[in-house]
Amino acid sequence: QSVLTQPPSASGTPGQRVTISCSGTSSNIGGNSVNWYQHLPGTAPKLLIYSTNQRPSGVPDRFSGSKSGTSASLAINGLQSEDEADYYCAAWDDSLNGSVFGGGTKLTVL
Amino acid sequence: EVQLLESGGGLVQPGGSLRLSCAVSGFTFNSYGMSWVRQAPGKGLEWVSTTSGSGRNTFYSDSVKGRFTISRDDSRNTLYMQMNSLRAEDTAVYYCAKGRSYSGYGSLDSWGLGILVTVSS
Repeated sequence: QSVLTQPPSASGTPGQRVTISCSGTSSNIGGNSVNWYQHLPGTAPKLLIYSTNQRPSGVPDRFSGSKSGTSASLAINGLQSEDEADYYCAAWDDSLNGSVFGGGTKLTVL
Repeated sequence: EVQLLESGGGLVQPGGSLRLSCAVSGFTFNSYGMSWVRQAPGKGLEWVSTTSGSGRNTFYSDSVKGRFTISRDDSRNTLYMQMNSLRAEDTAVYYCAKGRSYSGYGSLDSWGLGILVTVSS
């Protein structure tokens, strides 16, 4: 059971907008920034969003992050076939004094 | 170019020990926190441990606390994870990752390809 809660799956057609939610508590998302990672099996995970809504250099602006209270969201606009991957949210947890990940969301592009 | 290369994985019996290494290049090693994250077969990513840039501050998940020890050798640009009293549930691909900050609290902006650790008799 992960500390951060994500839907196990999401899907969309090319060009669509898809959002992935991440629910936590006041000790993690509520009080700290959220990070999002993209992971394709057999490869190194990739940082997609840091500090809740910042994109690292090279990440397309189709990807955006937001937070409200103890929940965060990753939005993908203009969905592309290469976006098919697993997506994870993560945040520092002040109560656990460590980092926590969501269980991951498998995104399928139909 | 930032590069991280894990080594030291393999098959170990329950109760045994293993030391993972992560050789890094392309950045000033002692200016950044470093972390280990693992992925068990068929499961999601799980944070394991973090060390600050100085190595003085270390953090562990409850699942490995008291059994695993994270350390760093700045002269060798290498991160380590000493894993003792290994259990079947420690079986996973272990990733080494570079933090964006000195503290290591925040995001992880570069990752290695991972190394497989299998705990089985």
